[in-house]
Amino acid sequence: GQNIDQPTEMTATEGAIVQINCTYQTSGFNGLFWYQQHAGEAPTFLSYNVLDGLEEKGRFSSFLSRSKGYSYLLLKELQMKDSASYLCAVRDSNYQLIWGAGTKLIIKP
Amino acid sequence: SAVISQKPSRDICQRGTSLTIQCQVDSQVTMMFWYRQQPGQSLTLIATANQGSEATYESGFVIDKFPISRPNLTFSTLTVSNMSPEDSSIYLCSAQPRDTEAFFGQGTRLTVV
Repeated sequence: GQNIDQPTEMTATEGAIVQINCTYQTSGFNGLFWYQQHAGEAPTFLSYNVLDGLEEKGRFSSFLSRSKGYSYLLLKELQMKDSASYLCAVRDSNYQLIWGAGTKLIIKP
Repeated sequence: SAVISQKPSRDICQRGTSLTIQCQVDSQVTMMFWYRQQPGQSLTLIATANQGSEATYESGFVIDKFPISRPNLTFSTLTVSNMSPEDSSIYLCSAQPRDTEAFFGQGTRLTVV
């Protein structure tokens, strides 16, 4: 079967750095996505990785290792507004998105 | 990118009734998806809606309960039929141009009483 694992919840301090991990087992691979979702809102796109390595976009970076079935989202200089759920999703061979359960990130002052 | 307008944003419905949710995309997309999301949980795919063909439903979801229309490349509807309190959830539509990320409507918060 297809499976995506990420931690249920993480806590970090304002101004710090946090890394959210995602491991996956899917039928084929056509890219990995990270989304941010604030409570009561729709998910919004953060990053996309299809090749191995690090993609940097401002305070957010995402890393992919296809051979290990592993990705992480790195958030730097954390702000209170970063408190949200972070969803990892993999696009499989049928171009269907397989979603992780999401990681709830709590930022403390 | 694509912008999706979804409505209604929320509704409170009586059990046994039906609600139709609409999504309008500002560009043509081949694939559209309908999701359900329970509070604090991730997205559960209900069905994939491609223009010109029957929707493909995921395990646990059936056409009689969640009929879907996809009359053209910019529009889709999902109907939640014969509702019960267990159908209370957030429903999201999504469009996924083939080589880009998925875009979401604003979501419909449904409460069945």
